Amino acid sequence: DTAVSQTPKYLVTQMGNDKSIKCEQNLGHDTMYWYKQDSKKFLKIMFSYNNKELIINETVPNRFSPKSPDKAHLNLHINSLELGDSAVYFCASSQGGPGSGGSKFFGPGTRLTVL
Amino acid sequence: AQSVTQLGSHVSVSEGALVLLRCNYSSSVPPYLFWYVQYPNQGLQLLLKYTSAATLVKGINGFEAEFKKSETSFHLTKPSAHMSDAAEYFCAVSTAGTASKLTFGTGTRLQVML
Repeated sequence: DTAVSQTPKYLVTQMGNDKSIKCEQNLGHDTMYWYKQDSKKFLKIMFSYNNKELIINETVPNRFSPKSPDKAHLNLHINSLELGDSAVYFCASSQGGPGSGGSKFFGPGTRLTVL
Repeated sequence: AQSVTQLGSHVSVSEGALVLLRCNYSSSVPPYLFWYVQYPNQGLQLLLKYTSAATLVKGINGFEAEFKKSETSFHLTKPSAHMSDAAEYFCAVSTAGTASKLTFGTGTRLQVML
């Protein structure tokens, strides 16, 4: 069974569209994250949820809205997509919160291409 | 604030040679340190982590790293490189606290040659 899964794996869309990426973890972790990896492979955290509560919200355009319906799911909705949103988006989970030192398990990534 | 610096965006070694990937960190409080590996078109996989226990940490696939506070370093090593080790390697740091976050270095691409 996949520990952290994301759908879709690839997403190609036009500028201005709205899209969602879904993430699920079956590890029983209480903290989930979204990271963005740009074309130069640089990884940066976007959001973190602990027990469905937003605890980290980096400087991300408000076109990006995360939603955590329960501890096992963290979805990312993006409005009015722009060319600069093209990247690989990784979901991750850990136990005990971002600062607990718990190992973070990453999903396989969603490659978003905005045309 | 916390940060990591990975020296060398590309490292090439021959198969069987020593692998040394460098990472220096900056943190105002005791850090947690991690090494992740990313194979082409895949997600990140944890290699090893340091969380204030033993300073020499052993990870998967024969990798290990040593935490040296005096040098603020956490270099990754493997005695003998294998072709399957070719990948992108990321060093990362976080600190304790609810709002702490994992901060990644810019990555080092390891190439292994025959």
